[in-house]
Amino acid sequence: DIVMTQSPDSLAVSLGERATINCKSSQSILHGSNNKDSLVWYQQKPGQPPKLLLYWASTRESGVPDRFSGSGSGTDFTLTISSLQAEDVAVYYCQQYYNTPRTFGQGTKVEIK
Amino acid sequence: EVQVVESGGGLVQPGGSLRLSCAASGFTFSSYWMHWVRQAPGKGLVWVSRINGDGSTTNYADSVKGRFTISRDNAKNTLYLQMNSLRAEDTAVYYCVREEWSAVVGFDYWGQGTLVTVSS
Repeated sequence: DIVMTQSPDSLAVSLGERATINCKSSQSILHGSNNKDSLVWYQQKPGQPPKLLLYWASTRESGVPDRFSGSGSGTDFTLTISSLQAEDVAVYYCQQYYNTPRTFGQGTKVEIK
Repeated sequence: EVQVVESGGGLVQPGGSLRLSCAASGFTFSSYWMHWVRQAPGKGLVWVSRINGDGSTTNYADSVKGRFTISRDNAKNTLYLQMNSLRAEDTAVYYCVREEWSAVVGFDYWGQGTLVTVSS
């Protein structure tokens, strides 16, 4: 199974400041057919199901604010929130869809400092 | 509007059984892989099982293999998860999830979840 490891487990950021979450896969998740990385980022707010934010590591889902961006390749990926808003308080998960089982990172909790 | 709505959760004793259902609407159900993902209280997301559109292919997490069975009824637009030999560690919210593989890729629609509690 591909192990997804996120860091940090939690972070506190001031409103308007940048938040950066890292995700590392235990092996390459490069999709052979399109040369893109098979990585998704989800946001889960308290009491709600997760919401898909980005796929192919960096493509924003429709309606997701452009302050959310994804980067990275190979085995190391990053989710950046460029200017943290109050509504961004949540737990963020990365997930690989390169193969089954579809493994998730352990989650990163983002709070306001 | 795409919707997936889970039901069937509840309190069950260790060793017992439960069947979860997920009613889907707003999309061509038979065209999609469907998954179950669970989340223990205060913990992270764990993939449980998946099934392809016509029900011919299924996969399971090692932790539930041999105890859980995923199935679907495309005529009823319903996904199921039969859970047998339940253990305390199966206690979680179970989400029914659609997987998209076209314009968007990933788990694009999630239900609100149904809570399964395994306890004596």
